[in-house]
Amino acid sequence: DGGITQSPKYLFRKEGQNVTLSCEQNLNHDAMYWYRQDPGQGLRLIYYSQIVNDFQKGDIAEGYSVSREKKESFPLTVTSAQKNPTAFYLCASSMAERGTGTQYFGPGTRLLVL
Amino acid sequence: RKEVEQDPGPFNVPEGATVAFNCTYSNSASQSFFWYRQDCRKEPKLLMSVYSSGNEDGRFTAQLNRASQYISLLIRDSKLSDSATYLCVVNIPRRLTGGGNKLTFGTGTQLKVEL
Repeated sequence: DGGITQSPKYLFRKEGQNVTLSCEQNLNHDAMYWYRQDPGQGLRLIYYSQIVNDFQKGDIAEGYSVSREKKESFPLTVTSAQKNPTAFYLCASSMAERGTGTQYFGPGTRLLVL
Repeated sequence: RKEVEQDPGPFNVPEGATVAFNCTYSNSASQSFFWYRQDCRKEPKLLMSVYSSGNEDGRFTAQLNRASQYISLLIRDSKLSDSATYLCVVNIPRRLTGGGNKLTFGTGTQLKVEL
């Protein structure tokens, strides 16, 4: 089955700790995205990548880092510099530059700070 | 003005009712429009794209009004299973974002269909 997977489903972080969220897709999509969703707010873009070994900051990149070493994978690291990391994190992918704009989402990771 | 605005609701409707949501967007250069559905504590899923001529998929109809910069979603004969949050999503053209297919999400309209 083609799709996007995210792990873990729930993640607990201690103060001052870096944690990495996994995102993998087998849809052969070029572009991948990370969003954050807080209660009562829309999805906000953290980082995106249009192609392997390239990525750009989104609207709220501070305190986060990413890598894109493989087409299938786009891990997100939440660093200790992110002061309010508790949120629902969603990874998405799309066919790049096809003009359709349709993004498909993984099931998400809920990050909680202890 | 927010880039994408929606009435948060909730819209409480009886089963079988027809319900409509509107969404306004601020960037007149936007070219792609979508409705996504999000169930509680789940990821958003594409419901339908919105085309200039309007489009229908079963009980769902989407319309675009470029002059007034809004899109709409009409749900006919609503079912209990339609209860969810409906997200309005607008694409910002690449030349305005410096690259990349940037989607802007509304905060969603909550629909509750009741017996």
